[in-house]
Amino acid sequence: DAKTTQPNSMESNEEEPVHLPCNHSTISGTDYIHWYRQLPSQGPEYVIHGLTSNVNNRMASLAIAEDRKSSTLILHRATLRDAAVYYCILRVNYGGSQGNLIFGKGTKLSVKP
Amino acid sequence: DTGVSQDPRHKITKRGQNVTFRCDPISEHNRLYWYRQTLGQGPEFLTYFQNEAQLEKSRLLSDRFSAERPKGSFSTLEIQRTEQGDSAMYLCASSLGDRVNEKLFFGSGTQLSVL
Repeated sequence: DAKTTQPNSMESNEEEPVHLPCNHSTISGTDYIHWYRQLPSQGPEYVIHGLTSNVNNRMASLAIAEDRKSSTLILHRATLRDAAVYYCILRVNYGGSQGNLIFGKGTKLSVKP
Repeated sequence: DTGVSQDPRHKITKRGQNVTFRCDPISEHNRLYWYRQTLGQGPEFLTYFQNEAQLEKSRLLSDRFSAERPKGSFSTLEIQRTEQGDSAMYLCASSLGDRVNEKLFFGSGTQLSVL
C-alpha cells in the first residue's frame, strides 16, 4: 500500500490559515491524492482530492508539488469547527483498477480561539 | 438526503456471542464500504460492494466476519464468536460514480464493545 507521512499534530489559531503537509514520495503517475477529515465522534468526511494540478473547493485548497512527492491541504480561515483529524491518502491505481482508500493515523488539528 | 445511517450506534456483547450491524447507504449509491477503526488509528478497510456484489475483502478479515448486501441497498456486517479484539468502531460508507473520483460518505459508525 502506498504510504503517506503526516505530522501527528498541529495547532492553529482561529481565523488564521492552516497548512497541513503530507509527504508521499512513493507516488506513481496515476495515483490520486485524497484528503478526508474526521471530527470527534463522527465518521470521516471528504475534503478534497487531486492528481497533478492544484484544486480548490468551498472547504479547502490542495496544493500539489511539481514532482508530486508532497502536497499541502490549506484551510484559508480556520474555525473551531475545523478541529479534527485530517487524513492524507494516496489512492493507488493498479493498472486501471482503483485501490481502496487506505487511511493512516492522520494529523490532529487543534484550533485555539 | 438523510446521509448514511448505521444501527445500532452502540453494542455491548459478551465474548463468544454473534453480533450484526446494519448500514443504510445514501439512496441510489451503488458502492458500499465497511471499515473498522480502533482508538488512535485511522479507519481500516474491511470490504466493499458494488450493488449486491462483494468485490473485495481485506486479507486481514477473519472468517468470523461476513457481510451481505442482498438487494444492493442496505448492508449487514455479522461477526460470529466475538473476541475482545473485535472491539472497535465499525464504519460504513457509500459512494456513487466512477471509483477514480468517488467521494465516500461515511456514517457515524457502530461502536462495539466485547466484554
